[in-house]
Amino acid sequence: LAKTTQPISMDSYEGQEVNITCSHNNIATNDYITWYQQFPSQGPRFIIQGYKTKVTNEVASLFIPADRKSSTLSLPRVSLSDTAVYYCLVGLLGTGANNLFFGTGTRLTVIP
Amino acid sequence: EAQVTQNPRYLITVTGKKLTVTCSQNMNHEYMSWYRQDPGLGLRQIYYSMNVEVTDKGDVPEGYKVSRKEKRNFPLILESPSPNQTSLYFCASSIGTGSDEQFFGPGTRLTVL
Repeated sequence: LAKTTQPISMDSYEGQEVNITCSHNNIATNDYITWYQQFPSQGPRFIIQGYKTKVTNEVASLFIPADRKSSTLSLPRVSLSDTAVYYCLVGLLGTGANNLFFGTGTRLTVIP
Repeated sequence: EAQVTQNPRYLITVTGKKLTVTCSQNMNHEYMSWYRQDPGLGLRQIYYSMNVEVTDKGDVPEGYKVSRKEKRNFPLILESPSPNQTSLYFCASSIGTGSDEQFFGPGTRLTVL
């Protein structure tokens, strides 16, 4: 079971780019990296997933270095509505990794 | 609308009184899972199911039971609830495994007195 380490909290001003780094030193060869966002009193919501290099969608970018022992979620020009907890997970895609570790995530607070 | 539903959304009960929290998904997903969320401890997996009649323990299964008799339903059963099971519970489903995008329900806030 691959576990992850993230900063407990981060603050950012509106309009800035925010980068949240996740450490996953024991990631396995076939593991994918997935990020979720959670607002208070709501269930987590999928943001982005990747295996290596860079993935970008309409919400965020995910940067994964060659050794894959860490990953960085990048949120461009954050707004107040991006205030949430962000979770990083690693696990196999398609098979296995059904016992997942969400951890405590990173609490992002966007300041006006 | 594709969704995961949970009932009840809020429940206050007493120690030892058996209860069931229902979870249903309409996306024909194979994988379903239950999590509990507590302040400072994050989101922890209780049980998961890969398909009908296939269930397995997560990180914190003690005091809980689950069943998967139909693909769409995955109820969480507390046979004898205790105060340390007071928590916010989430059900989730995904198309294949836990690593696929999981869709979460709205949550059930349980208080055990």
